[in-house]
Amino acid sequence: DQQVKQNSPSLSVQEGRISILNCDYTNSMFDYFLWYKKYPAEGPTFLISISSIKDKNEDGRFTVFLNKSAKHLSLHIVPSQPGDSAVYFCAASAHAGGTSYGKLTFGQGTILTVHP
Amino acid sequence: EAQVTQNPRYLITVTGKKLTVTCSQNMNHEYMSWYRQDPGLGLRQIYYSMNVEVTDKGDVPEGYKVSRKEKRNFPLILESPSPNQTSLYFCATRIGGSLQETQYFGPGTRLLVL
Repeated sequence: DQQVKQNSPSLSVQEGRISILNCDYTNSMFDYFLWYKKYPAEGPTFLISISSIKDKNEDGRFTVFLNKSAKHLSLHIVPSQPGDSAVYFCAASAHAGGTSYGKLTFGQGTILTVHP
Repeated sequence: EAQVTQNPRYLITVTGKKLTVTCSQNMNHEYMSWYRQDPGLGLRQIYYSMNVEVTDKGDVPEGYKVSRKEKRNFPLILESPSPNQTSLYFCATRIGGSLQETQYFGPGTRLLVL
């Protein structure tokens, strides 16, 4: 049972345009969400996160939006650059008073390709 | 330089032959965990450890063992590997339990079990 889903396996975007990566979740207990970026032959690296008390968090070219009623989050990259080409994973966690201490549930990943 | 190292990076083995994948970190982090990445499934947590001598199961612990005898090391042990354990494995570390702390991943170990 996939509790975090990234339904688009891949996305192709022109340099300078906006990239929008989507993520849906089913567990209403999730209250903290993260995006990771992964280059080939490397481990994932943290990109940006958002708590469920917010609906938007911005860091430079990266913005994450959270729609709790739809159980949906998205990552916007503006403007997209060729160096952004990587696999992007969304992840979610339920603090639940510490009973899910440290546990992250990941989506399947979306391969982003930014063309020059 | 802050580092999470994994060894080996690549391994081909046969069914039933015990193996250990090592993970070491130099950041004095309390929290360490192991994930496996499979196509179409993303990353799934195998085991995690909140501190020395404290370990717990993640989502897919079957067929794996871990130990945390010292803070910097968190080896993943496959006592009797099977082909369904062919995967890409990542070790990850974090200062503590809070998810608002950045989690650092190692470079990965690609395992093929024949």
